[in-house]
Amino acid sequence: EAGVAQSPRYKIIEKRQSVAFWCNPISGHATLYWYQQILGQGPKLLIQFQNNGVVDDSQLPKDRFSAERLKGVDSTLKIQPAKLEDSAVYLCASSLSLDTQYFGPGTRLTVL
Amino acid sequence: AQKITQTQPGMFVQEKEAVTLDCTYDTSDPSYGLFWYKQPSSGEMIFLIYQGSYDQQNATEGRYSLNFQKARKSANLVISASQLGDSAMYFCAMLDNTDKLIFGTGTRLQVFP
Repeated sequence: EAGVAQSPRYKIIEKRQSVAFWCNPISGHATLYWYQQILGQGPKLLIQFQNNGVVDDSQLPKDRFSAERLKGVDSTLKIQPAKLEDSAVYLCASSLSLDTQYFGPGTRLTVL
Repeated sequence: AQKITQTQPGMFVQEKEAVTLDCTYDTSDPSYGLFWYKQPSSGEMIFLIYQGSYDQQNATEGRYSLNFQKARKSANLVISASQLGDSAMYFCAMLDNTDKLIFGTGTRLQVFP
């Protein structure tokens, strides 16, 4: 069974530029999550989708971050414009509802 | 508020020895799940083991076991027979009844020969 796929693995941008990350969850997993992990900390949930609907986006900085999950499968997370403090690893995870979350390899973003 | 606490920023263990990584949690919900994840330097979070709040027995998965003490609100991870490949960050996490996973700050484990 294929795991959660993410791309790109690494991205370096300058502040005020925009960036997008892509995630393909495990087949059949209805729930998809985006986490932000700042160096030295545990992951923090940004947004949770159930199929293509948003369940929780209370910690998503909506002035600059946006996410969508078209057709209830793949998802993209966008940052526009990026700030220095957005430098982090962005992790995508998926699960059957109320079950173990399986994570992708993450995208390491560096904002200069 | 729900919270996970990992008080050990770093741990060292010799190869083939056992090691215990501490985790305490705080919640008022009667139903919750506890997880341990391993994060190698590559960055991926690897699921290790799960314990449900109503499970009567401690969870085990190969060399990993979870020492679940509900009254003390602790869920320590025990790794037996440590291997060099076990060197990584380890995160304890709790799944609340809204399907939100809350992570601790992690413990860096280093296994030496």
